Amino acid sequence: KAGVTQTPRYLIKTRGQQVTLSCSPISGHRSVSWYQQTPGQGLQFLFEYFSETQRNKGNFPGRFSGRQFSNSRSEMNVSTLELGDSALYLCASSLEEGRGTYEQYFGPGTRLTVT
Amino acid sequence: AQKITQTQPGMFVQEKEAVTLDCTYDTSDPSYGLFWYKQPSSGEMIFLIYQGSYDQQNATEGRYSLNFQKARKSANLVISASQLGDSAMYFCAMRLGFQKLVFGTGTRLLVSP
Repeated sequence: KAGVTQTPRYLIKTRGQQVTLSCSPISGHRSVSWYQQTPGQGLQFLFEYFSETQRNKGNFPGRFSGRQFSNSRSEMNVSTLELGDSALYLCASSLEEGRGTYEQYFGPGTRLTVT
Repeated sequence: AQKITQTQPGMFVQEKEAVTLDCTYDTSDPSYGLFWYKQPSSGEMIFLIYQGSYDQQNATEGRYSLNFQKARKSANLVISASQLGDSAMYFCAMRLGFQKLVFGTGTRLLVSP
């Protein structure tokens, strides 16, 4: 099976612009989660989508949004970019069949630089 | 609230030696999962090993084993026979059901020849 893919891998944007990142989960996985990783704050959870519905949400401002499509692919959008949004954005997918705790498999990440 | 603590910012080990990376966790929920991920300099988080809170035996995956001590709330990762390619950041994480993964601050492992 193909792993989690994220596009683009690298992005450079200017303050005030908006950006859209894409994530394709492992085939058959219905859950997609997004994380932000920075040297100062470490790994922080943004949100999770399951069957096109946002199931969990982290503590990020409304400038950060996401969605999931019927084929489980997900996008996240950041509007009005700030310098502090520079980070590695990681997407993870999980099987989530029935009860239990499932491992999350991560993509290679999108490295966003805001200038 | 859930919390993961990794107290070793960096660890050094020689090739072919074993190394233990420490992880303690805090949760009041009886059902949880504990994970270890490896992050090379490329950035991708690679899933290594999983331990469920109700699992009776310690998890093992090849050269990786998880030393699970429930009463002490610790979930240390043991890497046997270290290889140069093991040099990376290692993150311990916890998940309650379908909730988010909560990560520790990570341990940077350097394997020397």
